[in-house]
Amino acid sequence: GENVEQHPSTLSVQEGDSAVIKCTYSDSASNYFPWYKQELGKRPQLIIDIRSNVGEKKDQRIAVTLNKTAKHFSLHITETKPEDSAVYFCAARSVGNEKLTFGTGTRLTIIP
Amino acid sequence: NAGVMQNPRHLVRRRGQEARLRCSPMKGHSHVYWYRQLPEEGLKFMVYLQKENIIDESGMPKERFSAEFPKEGPSILRIQQVVRGDSAAYFCASSPDRESTYGYTFGSGTRLTVV
Repeated sequence: GENVEQHPSTLSVQEGDSAVIKCTYSDSASNYFPWYKQELGKRPQLIIDIRSNVGEKKDQRIAVTLNKTAKHFSLHITETKPEDSAVYFCAARSVGNEKLTFGTGTRLTIIP
Repeated sequence: NAGVMQNPRHLVRRRGQEARLRCSPMKGHSHVYWYRQLPEEGLKFMVYLQKENIIDESGMPKERFSAEFPKEGPSILRIQQVVRGDSAAYFCASSPDRESTYGYTFGSGTRLTVV
């Protein structure tokens, strides 16, 4: 089955700087890659996703890039703010397989 | 649209008791997924259901755990004879169809504590 690895496990960034979180996946048939943000004690919330037919997607300060050949994808947050502090999870889903396989999460701390 | 509704939000059970967790998917969603999140860990897939069908239960422990999604009513995750190791947050998610364009929408979770 699919295996998703996520790095780093913790990340501290000065407010205003950029943060990058990276994930790799094992199943070359995976075609959907969402990112979730989870604040303490709350539900995971979808913040951005990308499908395998595009290499990059951007939504204001958040962008995701996908390299299918290398089987890795990354989340980029620019101009970070204190409210970006949370745990971020990447995930992958294969064609014909409805379940999402999640990475182990990155705890992002924005230092004011 | 009320979103994915889970109840209870918090559940305390003594070892050996049964826990019943409920999940009502978003309106128009027919696919339900249950995930477990241990403290300080990621989300682990447990089971995927459609109405009256278990599609994939590859993440469910073989004993004590069961899930259903009846024709009427919410999806139920049932844990019999709970043990301390079952303490976790259990999240339900729903999607409208296979390979949904919009991905999963998660409920607020049920935090199970076994004492």
